[in-house]
Amino acid sequence: QKEVEQDPGPLSVPEGAIVSLNCTYSNSAFQYFMWYRQYSRKGPELLMYTYSSGNKEDGRFTAQVDKSSKYISLFIRDSQPSDSATYLCAMIQTGANNLFFGTGTRLTVIP
Amino acid sequence: SQTIHQWPATLVQPVGSPLSLECTVEGTSNPNLYWYRQAAGRGLQLLFYSVGIGQISSEVPQNLSASRPQDRQFILSSKKLLLSDSGFYLCASGLAGGRETQYFGPGTRLLVL
Repeated sequence: QKEVEQDPGPLSVPEGAIVSLNCTYSNSAFQYFMWYRQYSRKGPELLMYTYSSGNKEDGRFTAQVDKSSKYISLFIRDSQPSDSATYLCAMIQTGANNLFFGTGTRLTVIP
Repeated sequence: SQTIHQWPATLVQPVGSPLSLECTVEGTSNPNLYWYRQAAGRGLQLLFYSVGIGQISSEVPQNLSASRPQDRQFILSSKKLLLSDSGFYLCASGLAGGRETQYFGPGTRLLVL
């Protein structure tokens, strides 16, 4: 079993839709959770960074962490064509050096 | 915030030739540094990480090596490239223990022919 599982998609939605992206994980020691956005041929850029369980909102983006279910989500409201990218989840445990990444979900927002 | 520089942006090399990719970091000191490879349509594979000058940990056996000659400089090398070394190479910087997330550079696209 992989440490982090992420549906690769691809996922296509119309402009203005609410998008839900998800990852599950197996290591209960993970404490820090991140979402990265990666445009084609570019390096990943950090979108959201959360610690432990709970929600965090930043503009149109909301990150949720449910440690009891080992499940994290990223919601994008009022999706825009510029949101079309691959979204990677990542996580790390306290005191560790290495992030564990999902394989990424490719999202296309259709105008 | 940190800025990660990588060069070159794109590289086409023949099989058997040497490789040197460089990464430098601004805006932080004593970072952990990372080299990842991303194959087309696949996730990030951690190749090497370094917690300090001269300290390199290898995650997978392969044809590549890494060095960290200065605090904010990380180099990925190969003596003889293989076709399977083609991919998108990303350098990242971060702090241990999740105290800060990892920031990525723009990447180097390597094509071995």
